[in-house]
Amino acid sequence: GQQLNQSPQSMFIQEGEDVSMNCTSSSIFNTWLWYKQDPGEGPVLLIALYKAGELTSNGRLTAQFGITRKDSFLNISASIPSDVGIYFCAGRGGSQGNLIFGKGTKLSVKP
Amino acid sequence: DAMVIQNPRYQVTQFGKPVTLSCSQTLNHNVMYWYQQKSSQAPKLLFHYYDKDFNNEADTPDNFQSRRPNTSFCFLDIRSPGLGDAAMYLCATQLRSGTGYQPQHFGDGTRLSIL
Repeated sequence: GQQLNQSPQSMFIQEGEDVSMNCTSSSIFNTWLWYKQDPGEGPVLLIALYKAGELTSNGRLTAQFGITRKDSFLNISASIPSDVGIYFCAGRGGSQGNLIFGKGTKLSVKP
Repeated sequence: DAMVIQNPRYQVTQFGKPVTLSCSQTLNHNVMYWYQQKSSQAPKLLFHYYDKDFNNEADTPDNFQSRRPNTSFCFLDIRSPGLGDAAMYLCATQLRSGTGYQPQHFGDGTRLSIL
């Protein structure tokens, strides 16, 4: 079945630094989504990408849909303490609306 | 305002005692999903409803059942919870149309503990 490799698994950074994380797949996806999950809460959608090559920003967040349709990255610029959480990539391929999730990147930000 | 609402937020049940988790939505989305998420893991899809059509994942145990009496509500029933069923249970909704799929929107989850 389809699988996503998300890296890094965790990051410890200083406030103000930029962050980059990515997901790769062995198969093609039609949609890439990036979610953030805070402890004890459900995932919240950050960015949705629908076309190969698409680059989309949401405030300090920027994500791109890889041209091969097998990867995506998420960048966070000038990190702040409230960026702490787990970031999940999720891809959708084929005719189903189901999502395949990456294993998450746990972000810690030191003030 | 919360658009995907899960109740309760925390549920404690006894080993083997049936439990029902509920999800409601105000988005009028035609698809509702149930996921299981264990600590430090990604959400794992259990099943979903596309309108009234139930779609079970191949590896979802028979112990897990679902009901969707109308568009707004969906329930997760665990018939005989075991210790391994302790987890966060997430409900998500999605709008599917002829033009494609909108992103899934998640509730805040129900954390289930088994005594």
